[in-house]
Amino acid sequence: QLQLQESGPGLVKPSETLSLTCTVSGGSISSSSFYWGWIRQPPGKGLEWIGSFYYSGSTYYNPSLKSRVTISVDTSKNQFSLKLSSVTAADTAVYYCARPVTVTTAVGYFDLWGRGTLVTVSS
Amino acid sequence: SYELTQPPSVSVSPGQTARITCSGDALPKQYAYWYQQKPGQAPVLVIYKDSERPSGIPERFSGSSSGTTVTLTISGVQAEDEADYYCQSADSSGTYGVFGGGTKLTVL
Repeated sequence: QLQLQESGPGLVKPSETLSLTCTVSGGSISSSSFYWGWIRQPPGKGLEWIGSFYYSGSTYYNPSLKSRVTISVDTSKNQFSLKLSSVTAADTAVYYCARPVTVTTAVGYFDLWGRGTLVTVSS
Repeated sequence: SYELTQPPSVSVSPGQTARITCSGDALPKQYAYWYQQKPGQAPVLVIYKDSERPSGIPERFSGSSSGTTVTLTISGVQAEDEADYYCQSADSSGTYGVFGGGTKLTVL
């Protein structure tokens, strides 16, 4: 049974880069999906679509975050990652990794989610 | 940027029907998806492609689409359905995703 697990620092200083990793277990990342993605949720607020990565190297990012976001995949480690630069307190959120299922476009829906990890931006 | 609009809250008594709407200009072109999120948990997909129900989701959950509005309907609401519900779709060109603001369903 495929499972996703986020990991990374729970505390990041303002202006620094937030780095998270999602480990895929129970299957190979390269054969389990063509796409992998990230979503976040500030405390007490709604979900925000961050972006997704296609195995060919194509990326799809939220326009409001595009200048600061990088999503990449490391098939040798069965992991994919999120980097968000120049963070501020507004980036404090629970970050979820997830598997998108594409339909007619590259966006699709998320059928498998990690449990999420809280990242706080504070000095 | 593109936005999806949901009512902040909906309240129903047990056994009644709850309807949660989601509006967006690109919905006639793009599929909508619905997630249920309970406190402290990751979201769970309850409807995909406007009206399809994943395996394991009770039949009381259904979805429909009409123009720029999609609707999640929960028939015969149960106490366990109390949760936040989010719609999700894509912009008109299908290059990025967007979530609605979420609707808190309260079972009275």
